[in-house]
Amino acid sequence: GESVGLHLPTLSVQEGDNSIINCAYSNSASDYFIWYKQESGKGPQFIIDIRSNMDKRQGQRVTVLLNKTVKHLSLQIAATQPGDSAVYFCAERAGNTPLVFGKGTRLSVIA
Amino acid sequence: SAVISQKPSRDICQRGTSLTIQCQVDSQVTMMFWYRQQPGQSLTLIATANQGSEATYESGFVIDKFPISRPNLTFSTLTVSNMSPEDSSIYLCSSLKSGYEQFFGPGTRLTVL
Repeated sequence: GESVGLHLPTLSVQEGDNSIINCAYSNSASDYFIWYKQESGKGPQFIIDIRSNMDKRQGQRVTVLLNKTVKHLSLQIAATQPGDSAVYFCAERAGNTPLVFGKGTRLSVIA
Repeated sequence: SAVISQKPSRDICQRGTSLTIQCQVDSQVTMMFWYRQQPGQSLTLIATANQGSEATYESGFVIDKFPISRPNLTFSTLTVSNMSPEDSSIYLCSSLKSGYEQFFGPGTRLTVL
């Protein structure tokens, strides 16, 4: 099996419930943020992004919230499904510098 | 979006040998990057692959160990040189086309014995 995410914090959610995955970032100069989903054996998949001039952005079943005051980012997944089980990473960028990734959270959906 | 492919998808190599990983993007992109993801860990940037010039390496990574080429706007290679078991990892290619979205390839899973 795939070893990605074995030692990461885990969030267990009942199928149909909402999930909230949190991320703290450290660079106050970061102006762009992305959430990625990584399934076993695959590369990170883009979910949703947000720029620092916004505090909320919604996609299909997902919402990203940005609190620049406390340097906190969250990903909300509505009506969580078994297919949402994966490792989720936040990433930040300041200007033209490369993306820096957070530690990641494993989401486990209980059917 | 950009579709990124990597070759090989996985390999098992002997200590002291070198492996070159290829990354192909389906369209011209502004920037290409190489990341490493060690077991159970997040992604760490190795270097930015610059088209027509030497790659820009992050702290802790050097050109002699991880030589990188980027001959054009759609292709890059990463070589892991003189491998040791500590190099066992997933190596990921990534591209930035325009705007801010950054996409990733499927990764190359390297095991060094």
